[in-house]
Amino acid sequence: EAGVAQSPRYKIIEKRQSVAFWCNPISGHATLYWYQQILGQGPKLLIQFQNNGVVDDSQLPKDRFSAERLKGVDSTLKIQPAKLEDSAVYLCASSFSSGETQYFGPGTRLLVL
Amino acid sequence: EDQVTQSPEALRLQEGESSSLNCSYTVSGLRGLFWYRQDPGKGPEFLFTLYSAGEEKEKERLKATLTKKESFLHITAPKPEDSATYLCAALNTGGFKTIFGAGTRLFVKA
Repeated sequence: EAGVAQSPRYKIIEKRQSVAFWCNPISGHATLYWYQQILGQGPKLLIQFQNNGVVDDSQLPKDRFSAERLKGVDSTLKIQPAKLEDSAVYLCASSFSSGETQYFGPGTRLLVL
Repeated sequence: EDQVTQSPEALRLQEGESSSLNCSYTVSGLRGLFWYRQDPGKGPEFLFTLYSAGEEKEKERLKATLTKKESFLHITAPKPEDSATYLCAALNTGGFKTIFGAGTRLFVKA
């Protein structure tokens, strides 16, 4: 069974530029999550989708971050404009449904200069 | 406020030296407690899910246990390949929100 796919794996941008990340979840998983993991910390949930609807985006900085899951399958996370403090690993995870075990992708490592 | 605290932050063991990692949680109703392993440069890899106090699960040299306030990950006779960061996460019953701890970085020396 294929796991969660993410791209790109690495991205370096300058502050005030924009960047987008892509995630393809495990086939059949209805719930998709985006996490931000700063070095030395645990993952922090940014947004959770159930199919193509948002379940929780309470910790998403909505002035600069946006995410969508239009067809209830893959998803994109965008940052515009980026700040230095956005440097982190962005992890995508999926689960069969909300509350079930989450399976993570390899992450996208973002460096903002 | 829901919170998950892991201790110690880092743990250095000799090969074969058994020990335990602690995960204390405060959530508004626990639906599940998850343990993950994370290697450098990779995403977290699922290890265990525990649902109720008294539950135990084992996998190779790892055993996870759960009480009403905390969970332990016991590592028996560790090997260098067990070196990784171990994350625990609590899922609350209210909003199905998962809260992760900061992790314990385990180093096992041969």
